[in-house]
Amino acid sequence: EVQLVESGGGLVKPGGSLRLSCAASGFTFSNYNMNWVRQAPGKGLEWVSSISSSSSYIYYADSVKGRFTISRDNAKNSLYLQMNSLRAEDTAVYYCARDVSDYEPLGLTYYYYMDVWGKGTTVTVSS
Amino acid sequence: SSELTQDPAVSVALGQTVRITCQGDSLRSYYASWYQQKPGQAPVVVIYGKNNRPSGIPDRFSGSSSGNTASLTITGAQAEDEADYYCNSRDSSGNRYVFGTGTKVTVL
Repeated sequence: EVQLVESGGGLVKPGGSLRLSCAASGFTFSNYNMNWVRQAPGKGLEWVSSISSSSSYIYYADSVKGRFTISRDNAKNSLYLQMNSLRAEDTAVYYCARDVSDYEPLGLTYYYYMDVWGKGTTVTVSS
Repeated sequence: SSELTQDPAVSVALGQTVRITCQGDSLRSYYASWYQQKPGQAPVVVIYGKNNRPSGIPDRFSGSSSGNTASLTITGAQAEDEADYYCNSRDSSGNRYVFGTGTKVTVL
């Protein structure tokens, strides 16, 4: 069974740090780009960061750039998100999601989407 | 930065058809994908690419696109379709993702 399991969430004070992990199983992790997506309480989904299969390409949302670092260990089938200088507005459920891209022959272009999601881990930033 | 705009809420009678729209400049270049999220659960993709459904997604879900607008249509809505729906695409840079603002679908 293809599965993603996040861990590492918790309560942290403003300015503090936290490291999230995402354990992948049931597929060849090293073949896929991966994402972190978050959802603040009662709010919509927000893409946070992406990392390519070999870690060559990394991208961040402007809201976390310079504070968060995405990484992966393909030997351990794991994805990570190091979060520093945390703020109250970082409070959210954090999901890891597998990235898929392929060629759409009917449209003569590529498509991109996230096909597998974990159940999420909750991060609360509060004093 | 790119934005994707959705109507906050729509309602549909049981068995009727509802269309959810998503507007944004990036949709002129990239397909939208659509995610269904029920309370307390992770999102699930229902449509991707031009109009593709993952295995297990009922064929009452369909997608379309024109210009800067993508649409998700539920034909013959069921009670279990009541959920939040989010569109998503690459942003104008092509390297990042952007999510729509979300639409809450209520089945009456």
